[in-house]
Amino acid sequence: EDQVTQSPEALRLQEGESSSLNCSYTVSGLRGLFWYRQDPGKGPEFLFTLYSAGEEKEKERLKATLTKKESFLHITAPKPEDSATYLCAVQASQGAQKLVFGQGTRLTINP
Amino acid sequence: KAGVTQTPRYLIKTRGQQVTLSCSPISGHRSVSWYQQTPGQGLQFLFEYFSETQRNKGNFPGRFSGRQFSNSRSEMNVSTLELGDSALYLCASRGGLRRNTEAFFGQGTRLTVV
Repeated sequence: EDQVTQSPEALRLQEGESSSLNCSYTVSGLRGLFWYRQDPGKGPEFLFTLYSAGEEKEKERLKATLTKKESFLHITAPKPEDSATYLCAVQASQGAQKLVFGQGTRLTINP
Repeated sequence: KAGVTQTPRYLIKTRGQQVTLSCSPISGHRSVSWYQQTPGQGLQFLFEYFSETQRNKGNFPGRFSGRQFSNSRSEMNVSTLELGDSALYLCASRGGLRRNTEAFFGQGTRLTVV
């Protein structure tokens, strides 16, 4: 069965303090790994798609990387507005368009 | 370009009733998926429609059903509501020819069953 585990569950940082979020996965043939950001009471907002090991994507203070077993979301010099829950999801080769999500990491950036 | 639109945003229903939620995907997107989000279970896949056909279904009881219209708009229906059906219901649309492109989510419908 396809599984996604995110760690830590919650992370509290000071503004400017860089860190990384982890997403470990087991999947029967990875067709894509997706990162989303979700604010309270809202739908997930798409951030990145990674398709193969070694791939990296960047957007402002965020950088996503992918290996054969896990993905990292690196946050450099975060600001309070980066506070949100970050979700990781995988799409397997089997199972059509279904996304399997992790439980998310709740990130809080203190000013 | 307008995003994914879900209506209504909030609903309060009584146990035993049924409910219909609506989703309008991004213009040109033909794939629509539905997810249930709860604090305990996180985001779980309900089903996916493409060109009016259900292509995949998650592990939910038959009380949960959906359909897609020729304009790609989708509805999901939950019959005989239970307290445990209280959740944020999210719709996502995908476009492009590849089947592993990113999904864009709507703001969700918050369903409360009392």
